[in-house]
Amino acid sequence: QKEVEQDPGPLSVPEGAIVSLNCTYSNSAFQYFMWYRQYSRKGPELLMYTYSSGNKEDGRFTAQVDKSSKYISLFIRDSQPSDSATYLCAMSADYQLIWGAGTKLIIKP
Amino acid sequence: DGGITQSPKYLFRKEGQNVTLSCEQNLNHDAMYWYRQDPGQGLRLIYYSQIVNDFQKGDIAEGYSVSREKKESFPLTVTSAQKNPTAFYLCASSRDRAQPQHFGDGTRLSIL
Repeated sequence: QKEVEQDPGPLSVPEGAIVSLNCTYSNSAFQYFMWYRQYSRKGPELLMYTYSSGNKEDGRFTAQVDKSSKYISLFIRDSQPSDSATYLCAMSADYQLIWGAGTKLIIKP
Repeated sequence: DGGITQSPKYLFRKEGQNVTLSCEQNLNHDAMYWYRQDPGQGLRLIYYSQIVNDFQKGDIAEGYSVSREKKESFPLTVTSAQKNPTAFYLCASSRDRAQPQHFGDGTRLSIL
């Protein structure tokens, strides 16, 4: 079993919909949680960075961490075609990041 | 603009050849990393460096080598011992190992 599980998709939704992206993990020691967005043939770009449990909001993006369920989510409101990309979760207990495989998201105009 | 520059964008390797991928950052970050990305897999850590003249192996260091002679630069050499080098290689940096990492735009390496 992988330490971090992420559905590879693709996830296809119409423009304007609310998108929910998720990762599950097995290591209860993880404390730092990140979401990155990666466009094709580009490097990952940091979207959200949270420590421990709770919610964090930044514009149309909300990150949620539920440590009791070992589950993190990224919500995108009012999704746009420019949000079409691969979304990677990453987490760490100390310093080494453990990565999900990424979910490919397609927003249909 | 501050950032991370990787070059070249595309690289081809012949059998038995070593190739070197360049990574330069002007963010004044202490820590730098090399990852390999294969389709359907998460990023896998090859090497990392926390300070100049020091570096550590990651999970898949075999067949790779690095140097860190300057704070700004962290080149990766893919040696002929790496039997399956075709992949997308990403360089990243961070202020220190506890901070989020920032990435370059990668080098795609293929075998001729």
